[in-house]
Amino acid sequence: QVQLQESGPGLVKPSQTLSLTCTVSGASINSGTYYWSWIRQPAGKGLEWIGRIYVTGSTNYNPSLKSRVTISVDASKNQFSLKLSSVTAADTAVYYCVGSSWPDNWFDPWGQGTLVTVSS
Amino acid sequence: DIQMTQSPSSLSASVGDRVTFTCRASQSISNYLNWYQQRPGKAPKLLIYGVSSLQSGVPSRFSGSGSGTDFTLTISSLQPEDFAAYYCQQNYSLPWTFGQGTKVEIK
Repeated sequence: QVQLQESGPGLVKPSQTLSLTCTVSGASINSGTYYWSWIRQPAGKGLEWIGRIYVTGSTNYNPSLKSRVTISVDASKNQFSLKLSSVTAADTAVYYCVGSSWPDNWFDPWGQGTLVTVSS
Repeated sequence: DIQMTQSPSSLSASVGDRVTFTCRASQSISNYLNWYQQRPGKAPKLLIYGVSSLQSGVPSRFSGSGSGTDFTLTISSLQPEDFAAYYCQQNYSLPWTFGQGTKVEIK
């Protein structure tokens, strides 16, 4: 059973970089079985796909965030990470790391989510 | 980007009711449509993929239908654990997009 767990600071100052890590268990991040994505959800609002990475290192980003987003993989730790630069209050949200089976692109499994607040 | 529009945004229903809600895509997405359930304070959970295929472990009271631009999710007999928010998602073209959700509340 594949499980994901997000970790990282819960509070980030405006204009700084948000950094989160997702630790994958139950599967090798290098297996090629999954795409690894980040999705966020502001309080009381809907879901926004941020981007994804595949084992090859290939990435796809939401154009709305592309200029500020970097997703990377650390295979030695079975982790993937999100960096979102120049954050504002609008980036305050619960951030989920999510797997999607290659080549299907539906989202399962999900991490439990981590709240990141952007505030000075 | 493909816009996904769900209706209604919320509905009130009773245990045992049959409920149906809809998801409309801004362009044809064939059968590349998935549904998720999100209970309060929890991560979303995949319910249905490819319009009508139930994810393993999902009760058979859930069903999905549609094609092209119009899709529906039906719960045949609402149970207490079904009071939640439901989101549709298209996996036809990047960027993947979600509907704004339908919240099912207790009447």
